Amino acid sequence: KQEVTQIPAALSVPEGENLVLNCSFTDSAIYNLQWFRQDPGKGLTSLLLIQSSQREQTSGRLNASLDKSSGRSTLYIAASQPGDSATYLCAVSGGAGSYQLTFGKGTKLSVIP
Amino acid sequence: GAVVSQHPSRVICKSGTSVKIECRSLDFQATTMFWYRQFPKKSLMLMATSNEGSKATYEQGVEKDKFLINHASLTLSTLTVTSAHPEDSSFYICSARDLMEQFFGPGTRLTVL
Repeated sequence: KQEVTQIPAALSVPEGENLVLNCSFTDSAIYNLQWFRQDPGKGLTSLLLIQSSQREQTSGRLNASLDKSSGRSTLYIAASQPGDSATYLCAVSGGAGSYQLTFGKGTKLSVIP
Repeated sequence: GAVVSQHPSRVICKSGTSVKIECRSLDFQATTMFWYRQFPKKSLMLMATSNEGSKATYEQGVEKDKFLINHASLTLSTLTVTSAHPEDSSFYICSARDLMEQFFGPGTRLTVL
């Protein structure tokens, strides 16, 4: 059974800092990996999707990497802003045509002005 | 990206009543929709996978008679919580799959008194 772990559970940084969020998964047979953002009481916003054949994806100040063989992914946020404060969720979808997502518990990020 | 809506966004009901939550894909057809449940500070837990025109596939531990799922068209899936009890209070989120990616609705906060 796939398990996804996110470290740290919470992170507080001053505005302007670069930061890294970590995600690990136990079964490397994944179809893809996604990073989401969730604001309090809201749904999920997809940030980046990395296919299993890819090593990284970039969108603006966000960069996500994937090392499938070691079961790890990182989300790098450059020049953090207070508006980045949210919970960041990592999710992997299974291989062999399974599209079900398994989520981590998330990292709650607070960017202090 | 594709848009998924949920209605209602928030519902409060008395114990014993049934509540229906709608999930719609607004600008694409979704052959597969998913229903998740999220407890405070916990991961999103997949409840069931819903395919248009067929019975939903429920995850282990999810009572199919309590959580009725109907996926009557390519743009609409409904989740009915029957005879709701306070322990059913939670945040319910649906998603719809478009080719390679899942898009999430904004969620429905259910409170059972």
